[in-house]
Amino acid sequence: AQSVTQLDSQVPVFEEAPVELRCNYSSSVSVYLFWYVQYPNQGLQLLLKYLSGSTLVKGINGFEAEFNKSQTSFHLRKPSVHISDTAEYFCARTGGFKTIFGAGTRLFVKA
Amino acid sequence: NAGVTQTPKFRVLKTGQSMTLLCAQDMNHEYMYWYRQDPGMGLRLIHYSVGEGTTAKGEVPDGYNVSRLKKQNFLLGLESAAPSQTSVYFCASTSAGEGTNGEQFFGPGTRLTVL
Repeated sequence: AQSVTQLDSQVPVFEEAPVELRCNYSSSVSVYLFWYVQYPNQGLQLLLKYLSGSTLVKGINGFEAEFNKSQTSFHLRKPSVHISDTAEYFCARTGGFKTIFGAGTRLFVKA
Repeated sequence: NAGVTQTPKFRVLKTGQSMTLLCAQDMNHEYMYWYRQDPGMGLRLIHYSVGEGTTAKGEVPDGYNVSRLKKQNFLLGLESAAPSQTSVYFCASTSAGEGTNGEQFFGPGTRLTVL
């Protein structure tokens, strides 16, 4: 069965430090991968997506992710975080009509 | 465009009561979804619809029913609420053109508590 695993449930980091949120997916012939962000008391919104082409994908708010087929990973990175990046982040993949979400990583940015 | 809207935003029910959550989208999307979000479990798919008049079960359908009588609306019903259904419910939609690989647009959520 297709799956998405987020390796960290919580990531605390100081403001202006770099951050990496890790995501692994189960391998398949074709895969479409996403990162969504959920700010407190809001719905999810798209950060970035990988459909094909360049393995380095840039998204909104300075985030980027790298698709690594050999390691079946799609880690999210930001070189310098802000307090406003405090949120929950979800890695996801689509399969047919459905999207499969990871359990989420709570990013907490400290001053 | 309002995007995806959900009604109500909050609700408290007693065990055994029924209710209907309404999702509406104004983006002319063919596909619509209902998820529930519980701490540490990500989003779990309850039911989904690939078009007007068509619905299908997701990962956790028990205790819920849905209807898609109009393309823009997707209703989630709880016939006899149970405390285990206390959760935050999200509706989402996607265009059929990108239905198998595209972005999902989410509503703001409905926070339901069952006592």
